[in-house]
Amino acid sequence: RKEVEQDPGPFNVPEGATVAFNCTYSNSASQSFFWYRQDCRKEPKLLMSVYSSGNEDGRFTAQLNRASQYISLLIRDSKLSDSATYLCVVNSGENSGNTPLVFGKGTRLSVIA
Amino acid sequence: GAGVSQSPSNKVTEKGKDVELRCDPISGHTALYWYRQSLGQGLEFLIYFQGNSAPDKSGLPSDRFSAERTGGSVSTLTIQRTQQEDSAVYLCASSLAYGNYGYTFGSGTRLTVV
Repeated sequence: RKEVEQDPGPFNVPEGATVAFNCTYSNSASQSFFWYRQDCRKEPKLLMSVYSSGNEDGRFTAQLNRASQYISLLIRDSKLSDSATYLCVVNSGENSGNTPLVFGKGTRLSVIA
Repeated sequence: GAGVSQSPSNKVTEKGKDVELRCDPISGHTALYWYRQSLGQGLEFLIYFQGNSAPDKSGLPSDRFSAERTGGSVSTLTIQRTQQEDSAVYLCASSLAYGNYGYTFGSGTRLTVV
């Protein structure tokens, strides 16, 4: 079983739509969770951290369900500029300070005018 | 510096040659990571350095790969006797401490082995 699994997509949505991405992780000892965004032929960039209580940043909402080992990202009012690949990222290991981040393969989003 | 700097941005090399890739992390970041990303694939962890601790080399795919970090700052990733399957984008990232803060990536080195 892969450590971090995501639906690869693509998700093709019209401007203004709400879209949700899901991710599951295999290591129940994981302590840190993130969503990264990667544009075509560019490096990944941190979009937001994911906290146990859930957190929101503008049009973006991230949630974590530790019991189900499940992370989600919700994008409201999609913009053309949101088109990118969204990477689910988990720090695996009992001691989050000593293990590198594990990246999912990403979910591709295309927002269409 | 303001961001993570990698050089060269592109490298084309002949099969069997050695290559060196350089990463200059954000000043003050104690942790440095190397990943690679093949076309259409996810990020594959290679090696990570944290302060003066011994590096975690668990992701290196073969003994042709090695990396060092001098003075706790600049890092070089060396690939000896390159093979075509080594073609990928090699990404370097740094962070303040461990993984809790997320990483800042450089723009990568696109390596093509012909």
